[in-house]
Amino acid sequence: GAVVSQHPSRVICKSGTSVKIECRSLDFQATTMFWYRQFPKQSLMLMATSNEGSKATYEQGVEKDKFLINHASLTLSTLTVTSAHPEDSSFYICSAREPGLGSWEQYFGPGTRLTVT
Amino acid sequence: SQQGEEDPQALSIQEGENATMNCSYKTSINNLQWYRQNSGRGLVHLILIRSNEREKHSGRLRVTLDTSKKSSSLLITASRAADTASYFCATVYGGANSKLTFGKGITLSVRP
Repeated sequence: GAVVSQHPSRVICKSGTSVKIECRSLDFQATTMFWYRQFPKQSLMLMATSNEGSKATYEQGVEKDKFLINHASLTLSTLTVTSAHPEDSSFYICSAREPGLGSWEQYFGPGTRLTVT
Repeated sequence: SQQGEEDPQALSIQEGENATMNCSYKTSINNLQWYRQNSGRGLVHLILIRSNEREKHSGRLRVTLDTSKKSSSLLITASRAADTASYFCATVYGGANSKLTFGKGITLSVRP
């Protein structure tokens, strides 16, 4: 199946700094990628849908100025957590859908563990 | 808001036994998918069942879908310790770029 990678796998940053997380589709082109956030022992909450060449679509309650998403190419989307605070500490997961008629399966990256101190 | 609600929330069984996990949802769907997540990892797609399908098999997995009851079940037969993970159902409604809406997940523990 298709492979999605994330980098870094874990990051620790100080409060007030910004952190960038990369999501790459390795063997397919993804016009759409999704960013999720997951708290311990909880489900995935969709943060935003990233569209190549256009602005991301954010879910209700997600601050677009805090979570900056850039989908500059068909294989790369980035999520930047700006002015991070301890409450932003979480597991961030991206996914990509391989384009094609009737293709519904999403391929998930391994996740990035963010800890803000 | 989350769509799927899995039941039970936690399940502990002995290796070799079957594990049945249920998922209920609230709205119309195009398809329902089951994913697996090992601790601290990303999700792995297990199986997809379309709204016009009632049952699907993949290896030791069997998924059923009852759209009249808005529910689905995932059966893992002859469970193995390696099946220990969290399992999520997710529903899709809409066009090709529609988002997945995840349930809360079920934690399955398979004792060796």
